[in-house]
Amino acid sequence: NAGVTQTPKFQVLKTGQSMTLQCAQDMNHEYMSWYRQDPGMGLRLIHYSVGAGITDQGEVPNGYNVSRSTTEDFPLRLLSAAPSQTSVYFCASSYRTGGEETQYFGPGTRLLVL
Amino acid sequence: AQSVTQLDSHVSVSEGTPVLLRCNYSSSYSPSLFWYVQHPNKGLQLLLKYTSAATLVKGINGFEAEFKKSETSFHLTKPSAHMSDAAEYFCVVSGAGSYQLTFGKGTKLSVIP
Repeated sequence: NAGVTQTPKFQVLKTGQSMTLQCAQDMNHEYMSWYRQDPGMGLRLIHYSVGAGITDQGEVPNGYNVSRSTTEDFPLRLLSAAPSQTSVYFCASSYRTGGEETQYFGPGTRLLVL
Repeated sequence: AQSVTQLDSHVSVSEGTPVLLRCNYSSSYSPSLFWYVQHPNKGLQLLLKYTSAATLVKGINGFEAEFKKSETSFHLTKPSAHMSDAAEYFCVVSGAGSYQLTFGKGTKLSVIP
């Protein structure tokens, strides 16, 4: 069980470039989500998915796109990178059983936009 | 709607003294509450979680938290701080029926030798 994996670990982009942050989980979890972490802001929800083919916006979705074609993968796309998107991005997956939910976080991707 | 307020952005304690990190929450439903820890340049680690069972929740590394509905609080405590506890701590709330987590802004814990 690899848990939640994220690639790349670190990326530098120029303003206007596009890229995809990869996230995969091998635990067959229905729910997956993307967060960004900025100093003094905690983690804020960008997009989430409750299953393959279903996605929705979180608190800070502008400038990001997601899709969920399989249960395992939930890529996050930056359409045209801006310096304000410099951040650490965390992917998470979770399941619920017996009324309790458990979230698993990936190791994070550190993105620098110049 | 749900929200979390961590009352201190930075807490400094001496090694061997108690730790108290304060968290208040707001939720329209019976919430699930969590504390996560993040060491410098590392990912998030779950310390403990409350999901409507016992109000006093014990976690890893000697941490515990008490859910007080009347005060809408979920403060994190540890009897004796260790140098390895120096990290940032996040209080997190999840509403009933929702997987969405709302994070507090974090409390940075410094431990003085």
